[in-house]
Amino acid sequence: KNEVEQSPQNLTAQEGEFITINCSYSVGISALHWLQQHPGGGIVSLFMLSSGKKKHGRLIATINIQEKHSSLHITASHPRDSAVYICAARKAAGNKLTFGGGTRVLVKP
Amino acid sequence: GAGVSQTPSNKVTEKGKYVELRCDPISGHTALYWYRQSLGQGPEFLIYFQGTGAADDSGLPNDRFFAVRPEGSVSTLKIQRTERGDSAVYLCASSTGNEQFFGPGTRLTVL
Repeated sequence: KNEVEQSPQNLTAQEGEFITINCSYSVGISALHWLQQHPGGGIVSLFMLSSGKKKHGRLIATINIQEKHSSLHITASHPRDSAVYICAARKAAGNKLTFGGGTRVLVKP
Repeated sequence: GAGVSQTPSNKVTEKGKYVELRCDPISGHTALYWYRQSLGQGPEFLIYFQGTGAADDSGLPNDRFFAVRPEGSVSTLKIQRTERGDSAVYLCASSTGNEQFFGPGTRLTVL
């Protein structure tokens, strides 16, 4: 079993729909990162969480440390949100990231 | 300012050849990371530098892989006797603290 698991692997939504991506991890962490990867490979950091909730524009990330679970929500989704979203755990010891397999999101107009 | 840059953007080589992949981190970033991403998967950690030294190289798959950062800035990932299974996107990231900034990656194809 991978240390970081994401679901779903693929998600298709209609423009305007609310999207939720889930991430579960099995190790102790110091932070949980959400990243966005567009076709062509570039990765952009969206959020870094160690507790609670963060919001940036239409994106919301939450984390429940006790349940070892994080969610990324996209409100009022738009076709430009189409990308792969990756969660990554930074372990309590060390700085390297352990990545989930990614969720491929397609938002149709 | 400039972000993390990686060269080349694409590299096609033949099985058994030697390749070097270069990463230019953001100026002043002391930490540098190499990751490998196979098609349809999330990135996997290879090696992490703090300054000039490799602080954690536990992700290097075997002794064909080696990385250096001689002056604490630019890093080179070296792969000897390449195999078809080495084909992937090799990502570099740099940081000064907790957030990592990623380069665009080098797509390596081993024929």
